[in-house]
Amino acid sequence: QSVLTQPPSVSAAPGQKVTISCSGSSSNIGGEYVSWFQQLPPTAPKLLIYENNKRPLGIPDRFSGSKSGTSATLDITGLQPGDEADYYCATWDSSLSNVIFGGGTKLTVL
Amino acid sequence: QVHLQESGPGLVRPSETLSLTCTFSDDSMIGHHGTWIRQPPGKGLEWIGFIYYGGSTTYNPSLKSRVTISIDRSRNQFSLKLTSVTAADTAVYYCARRPGSTRFDYWGQGLLVSVSP
Repeated sequence: QSVLTQPPSVSAAPGQKVTISCSGSSSNIGGEYVSWFQQLPPTAPKLLIYENNKRPLGIPDRFSGSKSGTSATLDITGLQPGDEADYYCATWDSSLSNVIFGGGTKLTVL
Repeated sequence: QVHLQESGPGLVRPSETLSLTCTFSDDSMIGHHGTWIRQPPGKGLEWIGFIYYGGSTTYNPSLKSRVTISIDRSRNQFSLKLTSVTAADTAVYYCARRPGSTRFDYWGQGLLVSVSP
C-alpha cells in the first residue's frame, strides 16, 4: 500500500473533465514538490507536471496540476481517447528519505 | 536531443547480481541526476536511487543494502547493481534523467528483467 493515495480508477466521456487526486501527509506532499506521470502500457512513464503545476514543453494545457496542503490534483480537460492511461503522482518523503509514487489511477475514456 | 537506453541481461538467477547499464546522449546528464526506477509486472513504480553527474548517490532505504549505482562519464553511462536478487526483483527497470525533485523528464524505454532459476 502506497504512502500516497490515489483512486484506483476514474472515468469520463470524451470532451469532459476528469480530476485525479493524490493524498499524502506533511512529510511528503505537505512540504515537497509533486510530479505527475502518464503511462500508456507497455511504454515508459511520461512527465506531465512537475513542481506541482508546471508543464514540460510539449505537454498541452489540457493537463494541469495543483497542490493544497497535503493533497495534490491532476486535472485533464477536453478528454480524448488517447488520454486513456495510468497516471501516477510522485514526491519526496522527508521522513522516509525516499521518492514515493502513488499507487496509480487508471483513466478510462468512455 | 536527450536519449537514454537501458541494456543488460533479461534473466538473472536467484541470489545472483542484477547488472544494468543506462547509456545517455552526449552532455545530456551534465548537472542532472541519473535515476533508476522499476515496475513489477502489473504493479506501480518504485524508485531505486539517484546518482548525480558528479558521482554522489542516494538510495531507496528499503534497497540500500543491495544497491550500487555508479557513473562512467567517459562512456556516457550510469549503471545499477542489485545483489542477492529474488523473484520479487522481477520488474521492468527504467533509467531516467532527474533535473531536480521528482522531475524525471526523460526516460529510457525500459528493460524487463526476470529473476528465475
